[in-house]
Amino acid sequence: EPEVTQTPSHQVTQMGQEVILRCVPISNHLYFYWYRQILGQKVEFLVSFYNNEISEKSEIFDDQFSVERPDGSNFTLKIRSTKLEDSAMYFCASFGRGWYEQYFGPGTRLTVT
Amino acid sequence: SQQGEEDPQALSIQEGENATMNCSYKTSINNLQWYRQNSGRGLVHLILIRSNEREKHSGRLRVTLDTSKKSSSLLITASRAADTASYFCGLIIQGAQKLVFGQGTRLTINP
Repeated sequence: EPEVTQTPSHQVTQMGQEVILRCVPISNHLYFYWYRQILGQKVEFLVSFYNNEISEKSEIFDDQFSVERPDGSNFTLKIRSTKLEDSAMYFCASFGRGWYEQYFGPGTRLTVT
Repeated sequence: SQQGEEDPQALSIQEGENATMNCSYKTSINNLQWYRQNSGRGLVHLILIRSNEREKHSGRLRVTLDTSKKSSSLLITASRAADTASYFCGLIIQGAQKLVFGQGTRLTINP
């Protein structure tokens, strides 16, 4: 069964450093998302991406964040200058057509020290 | 608030018993999706129920939706130790494409 994959599974970085989180969505899907979950809290929407552009973003997704689909398979989230409060699990999700049934990747745990 | 609110926050039952979790919301939705999350892991899609549906089944899962009361329930029958996880309802608000989640229900199945 097709699945969303994410790399790395765990990333440790120092405050102020740039990080790139990578996702490979399900191949025939058209809509791509990033969500994040701070430890012990709910999953929060960050950004959605369709037709090679951002379709919606949350207040969390400020100028420090960017997304890109550099080729036909990868979908990346870049945090330009990480802060301690960026420490969280970051989930990529995708869906194809119909009722927005979103499939999530296993997540990347980002730890900012 | 647009998010779903799960109830109870935590539920502990014996293996073999049924587990019921509820989700309430305040806005109009396109559909509602239930997810499972094992500790420290990703979200696994369980079932989607559309706004014009009232009940759906998938294996040991039964989901109901009452749009007049703006609430949904997830029933897991004949629970197993492997069902121990957090369960979240995610809403697709009408006119939007993103999922809005609540805080989840932490389910513990005792052997």
